[in-house]
Amino acid sequence: EIVMTQSPATLSVSPGERATLSCRASQSVSSSLAWYQQKPGQAPRLLIYGASTRATGIPARFSGSGSGTEFTLTISSLQSEDFAVYYCQQYNNWPPLTFGGGTKVEIK
Amino acid sequence: QVQLQESGPGLVKPSETLSLTCSVSGGSVSSGSYYWSWIRQPPGKGLEWIGYISKSGSTNSNPSLKNRVTLSLDTSKSQFSLRLSSVTAADTAVYFCARSPPATVTTWDYWGQGTLVTVSS
Repeated sequence: EIVMTQSPATLSVSPGERATLSCRASQSVSSSLAWYQQKPGQAPRLLIYGASTRATGIPARFSGSGSGTEFTLTISSLQSEDFAVYYCQQYNNWPPLTFGGGTKVEIK
Repeated sequence: QVQLQESGPGLVKPSETLSLTCSVSGGSVSSGSYYWSWIRQPPGKGLEWIGYISKSGSTNSNPSLKNRVTLSLDTSKSQFSLRLSSVTAADTAVYFCARSPPATVTTWDYWGQGTLVTVSS
């Protein structure tokens, strides 16, 4: 099973600032990496797939990069609606499909 | 716009079987090249993939749960279902149903709101 590790666990950022979230895979997942946003009491929302392709309707301030074992989600200028928990998920080697433990982006 | 809605008991006794149904509206579980999945999230924790079913009825599930998971499809009602047997407190979670984008099985673009299932006597 591929283990996904996200860091930091919590990221404190001021509105308008840039946020950089990291995700590491225990072995290469190529570019088979997705990012999700989850707000309290809601289902996750697909942001990025293929490591860098934005899903339909996702604003351009969200960008993904990386391949192999190291990935980054960048939010260029945080808006109030972006404060949430973010999860990465690999789909290169499965079953099982696996998620990281999440990074909570909170208001500084 | 496709919508998914989970339904089922919110409380299940240990050793019994958890049964949930996902109703799909705005689309059909038998149309297109979609896959229908279950994902769960223990309270305050991360996400765990349970499994998927295709419109043809083919399934795949998490090896950690495989012997306890049964996935099924009711095309006449546009529903798909999860049965998880021999539950323990560790199965307490919010259970989400979700749909994968066309011709994809490994990510999910439409989700239900989730339903909390508590395992307790």
